[in-house]
Amino acid sequence: ILNVEQSPQSLHVQEGDSTNFTCSFPSSNFYALHWYRWETAKSPEALFVMTLNGDEKKKGRISATLNTKEGYSYLYIKGSQPEDSATYLCAFSTGGGNKLTFGTGTQLKVEL
Amino acid sequence: DTGVSQNPRHKITKRGQNVTFRCDPISEHNRLYWYRQTLGQGPEFLTYFQNEAQLEKSRLLSDRFSAERPKGSFSTLEIQRTEQGDSAMYLCASSLGAMSREQFFGPGTRLTVL
Repeated sequence: ILNVEQSPQSLHVQEGDSTNFTCSFPSSNFYALHWYRWETAKSPEALFVMTLNGDEKKKGRISATLNTKEGYSYLYIKGSQPEDSATYLCAFSTGGGNKLTFGTGTQLKVEL
Repeated sequence: DTGVSQNPRHKITKRGQNVTFRCDPISEHNRLYWYRQTLGQGPEFLTYFQNEAQLEKSRLLSDRFSAERPKGSFSTLEIQRTEQGDSAMYLCASSLGAMSREQFFGPGTRLTVL
């Protein structure tokens, strides 16, 4: 049974703070690690897909790292803004990458 | 809008009724996935199609659930004799072929069974 764990479950930060979340996943039979941002009443938005150990990806103020040997990924947000408020989901895929196994998400609230 | 669309966005039904949801994937995507998210959980895989062929079904998909993708384009998910435990967000995603790792999601259909 694959288990993807995310921490923290929720986070409240002030505007301008930097923050980070953790995703841990089984390191065997790894294919890809996905990060999504999901705002209420909208579609989950793909942030990053990472496949190689040591991968680092960046999109504006958001970046992510990947360690496939120990089975974890970090998502960083620099200078949080209220529009960053959302649930951040990570998902793991194995083998042919057909289906995603999601964590329960980290709910971020950025306050003014 | 060329993203994944789902209809209806919300559905309220009484226990025992049948419901059907529709998903329209991104037009050139040949893979289509259904996921379900219940309160406090992450989305869970239900089933996926490669063109019109249903290639995998989760054990979560009981006999009351059936999914189709008759022409390899849109897909429907039907739940017969709904139960309160079926209340959830049903998400659809599509991807471009077997080698594409990225899945693009629709906004989901929120089902409430009274």
